[in-house]
Amino acid sequence: GAVVSQHPSRVICKSGTSVKIECRSLDFQATTMFWYRQFPKQSLMLMATSNEGSKATYEQGVEKDKFLINHASLTLSTLTVTSAHPEDSSFYICSARDLAGSYNSPLHFGNGTRLTVT
Amino acid sequence: AQKITQTQPGMFVQEKEAVTLDCTYDTSDQSYGLFWYKQPSSGEMIFLIYQGSYDEQNATEGRYSLNFQKARKSANLVISASQLGDSAMYFCAMRERDAGNNRKLIWGLGTSLAVNP
Repeated sequence: GAVVSQHPSRVICKSGTSVKIECRSLDFQATTMFWYRQFPKQSLMLMATSNEGSKATYEQGVEKDKFLINHASLTLSTLTVTSAHPEDSSFYICSARDLAGSYNSPLHFGNGTRLTVT
Repeated sequence: AQKITQTQPGMFVQEKEAVTLDCTYDTSDQSYGLFWYKQPSSGEMIFLIYQGSYDEQNATEGRYSLNFQKARKSANLVISASQLGDSAMYFCAMRERDAGNNRKLIWGLGTSLAVNP
């Protein structure tokens, strides 16, 4: 089955530093990847849509300079949380759409990254 | 306005019994898709089942089935013969096109299911 690898699974960083999260599709190509944020016991909140070779599309209220997204290849998208602050602590999860999939195809999710900013 | 409504924040079910998790949706599109995902405490999102708006048959995948009632705009998930490992959050999601003609998933708030031994 389609596998999405997300690293790191957990990261603790100090306030003011930047953190990069990687999302890789291991056995399929993905022109589109989605980055979500999830607060405890809440639903997924779409942050941005990452398109290979072009700029990401951010959802309203998401700071593009704060959450940098790069989708340099058909198998890799990265989310960089710049100048992290404690309020950025959250669970971040990526998903990818198989280029070869149909309209009915489900999104394939990574295992998520739990970010804690101290 | 909430487009995906899951009215049950938490549900309990006895092991080996069946349980229905409710999901209603709101869309003006004729073509849309409905998904159910499971999220265990470890965090990963596991795809369970899909129903297309034009599908005439209710979707089934092993112990999972989807009770699709298009006129009522409901897509309830039925889990038969519950197992302890079914304890998790369950999310209903709808794929539709946004104003920019991009396909996105709209998520419900989820239902926490606890299976009792």
